[in-house]
Amino acid sequence: GPKVLQIPSHQIIDMGQMVTLNCDPVSNHLYFYWYKQILGQQMEFLVNFYNGKVMEKSKLFKDQFSVERPDGSYFTLKIQPTALEDSAVYFCASSRDWENTGQLYFGEGSKLTVL
Amino acid sequence: DAKTTQPDSMESTEGETVHLPCSHATISGNEYIYWYRQVPLQGPEYVTHGLQQNTTNSMAFLAIASDRKSSTLILTHVSLRDAAVYHCILRGITGNTRKLIFGLGTTLQVQP
Repeated sequence: GPKVLQIPSHQIIDMGQMVTLNCDPVSNHLYFYWYKQILGQQMEFLVNFYNGKVMEKSKLFKDQFSVERPDGSYFTLKIQPTALEDSAVYFCASSRDWENTGQLYFGEGSKLTVL
Repeated sequence: DAKTTQPDSMESTEGETVHLPCSHATISGNEYIYWYRQVPLQGPEYVTHGLQQNTTNSMAFLAIASDRKSSTLILTHVSLRDAAVYHCILRGITGNTRKLIFGLGTTLQVQP
């Protein structure tokens, strides 16, 4: 089936540094998502993105977080500066539509470790 | 999204049929019932969805109560690969929200 690719699969950085997580969504998909999951806990919605703009964001989407998809390339999540509590697995997802019950396709996740 | 209630965990044995229940007593008319599953260290995977009628695909059978206040995901001939966390999620098609909200789901353990 369609694949969402995430790069890197794992990144270790020092607190305060910047990190960019990249997502290559399914081609022709229009909605993009980031979720955060701490080991053993439920998956938490961070943000969704459509038509070049953030549609919704949760309280977990701090001011240090930003998303973009320049020129239809990777959908990125940038954290600047990082904090210890940002350590988690970040999942990207995409869907073709919403109104026509389009399903979300998820990537394998990017594990972020902040030291 | 309206709330769903699922048991924390269930156990099964390879080859059996498993019934995973979900309660959604406050479901509204425009909300679909979606099921996703997540294997450790992987992203969630779509299983099935339905609105009112029972549905079936290669992965599962979804039985929806006539009043839509509950549903059951039925997995036949389960294998070890079916061990995962199964999430029952309500998704509205109209309205301003465009996101899935995950809960803790049901952890399905499958014994050899």
